Amino acid sequence: ILNVEQSPQSLHVQEGDSTNFTCSFPSSNFYALHWYRWETAKSPEALFVMTLNGDEKKKGRISATLNTKEGYSYLYIKGSQPEDSATYLCAQEGGSYIPTFGRGTSLIVHP
Amino acid sequence: EAGVAQSPRYKIIEKRQSVAFWCNPISGHATLYWYQQILGQGPKLLIQFQNNGVVDDSQLPKDRFSAERLKGVDSTLKIQPAKLEDSAVYLCASSPRTAGELFFGEGSRLTVL
Repeated sequence: ILNVEQSPQSLHVQEGDSTNFTCSFPSSNFYALHWYRWETAKSPEALFVMTLNGDEKKKGRISATLNTKEGYSYLYIKGSQPEDSATYLCAQEGGSYIPTFGRGTSLIVHP
Repeated sequence: EAGVAQSPRYKIIEKRQSVAFWCNPISGHATLYWYQQILGQGPKLLIQFQNNGVVDDSQLPKDRFSAERLKGVDSTLKIQPAKLEDSAVYLCASSPRTAGELFFGEGSRLTVL
C-alpha cells in the first residue's frame, strides 16, 4: 500500500488569488500521478494524468508539475474563482497500476 | 457519451441491515473500480474488476462486503450486515484500460444508524 499525502488539508482564498497544493508520494515503483477535482454533489472529474518526471500540464488557469525522483506534484490555480471551490484529490499509480488516493485538499474561494 | 451511472444516490439504514449499490460504467470500459470514501479520508479501493474478473480485492472486508460484475458490464456492491463504520460515500469508477484516467459516478452516500 502506497502512502499519498496532500497538503494543506483545507485552504480559504479570496477571488483573484493564486494558490497551490502539494501531493507527496513514494518515489519508488512510480507509474502515474492523477489529479481530480470533486465539487459538492458532483462526480470527481479528472484534471491531469502525468507519467514523466518533469512533466508540466495546463488546463485553463490550472496547471500541474511532477517530480518523480523526489516524489511530489504541485497543482497551481491562477486567479482563483468561486467556481474553483472543490476538493482536489491526487492519486498515484504504482506497480500494481491501481490508483491510491490522498485525503484531498478542500479549497474555498470567497467572492 | 453517457457517464458512469450509480444508484441509489442516498441510502439510510440501521446497523445489521443489508444494502446494495449498483453501477453501470461507460460503455466499452473494461476496468471497473469500487472505492469507499469515509468523511475526512481519501477514497480507498475496495475492489477492481477487469471485464468480469477480479484484479484486486485485498481491502474488501469479505465477511460483510461482496461485489460482482456479471457479463463484464454493470456491477453490484453489497454490504450484509452493515455496521456504523460503513457510513461513507461509495464511488464507482471505470476506465478504458487498466492504467489511465478514471471516470467516476456521482457516488452513493450510505448512512448507517
